[in-house]
Amino acid sequence: EAGVAQSPRYKIIEKRQSVAFWCNPISGHATLYWYQQILGQGPKLLIQFQNNGVVDDSQLPKDRFSAERLKGVDSTLKIQPAKLEDSAVYLCASSPRPHGDEKLFFGSGTQLSVL
Amino acid sequence: DAKTTQPNSMESNEEEPVHLPCNHSTISGTDYIHWYRQLPSQGPEYVIHGLTSNVNNRMASLAIAEDRKSSTLILHRATLRDAAVYYCILRHWRFIQGAQKLVFGQGTRLTINP
Repeated sequence: EAGVAQSPRYKIIEKRQSVAFWCNPISGHATLYWYQQILGQGPKLLIQFQNNGVVDDSQLPKDRFSAERLKGVDSTLKIQPAKLEDSAVYLCASSPRPHGDEKLFFGSGTQLSVL
Repeated sequence: DAKTTQPNSMESNEEEPVHLPCNHSTISGTDYIHWYRQLPSQGPEYVIHGLTSNVNNRMASLAIAEDRKSSTLILHRATLRDAAVYYCILRHWRFIQGAQKLVFGQGTRLTINP
């Protein structure tokens, strides 16, 4: 079974530029999560989709971050404009069914450096 | 949301058992206890989870206190490949949205000495 795919693996941009990350979850997984992990900290949930609807985006800085999940499959997370404090690893995860106790499968993440 | 408390770091020797503690005194009756680990430069990976009873799988065992306010992840025979950050998480069920929520804490950095 293929895992969660993320791209790019690394990205370096200057502050005030824009950037986009892409995630392809495991086939058939209903729920998709984007986490932000700053160096030395645990992952922080940014947004959670169930199929193509948003379940939780309470910690997403909506003035600069946006995310969408097209047709309930792939997802894109965008930052515009980026700030220095956005330097982090952005992790995508998916879980199988919308109900029940489901484990998360994570991708390897996109490491973003904002200069 | 209920929080978990873990030691920042722990150290053990190869081929010895490791007991990683976690406190979750504000756990609710429907919260599951999940453990994930994160190897360097990788995303977290699932280790084990439980509700009330102790659980075993090929990776580890999970011992849950009778009052559910604490739990311990047990690696029976640590190897160098077990060096990672281990996260104890409470899986909360969102009844309105019909979806789960997992909030990661700081985790415990486990070092294994050869």
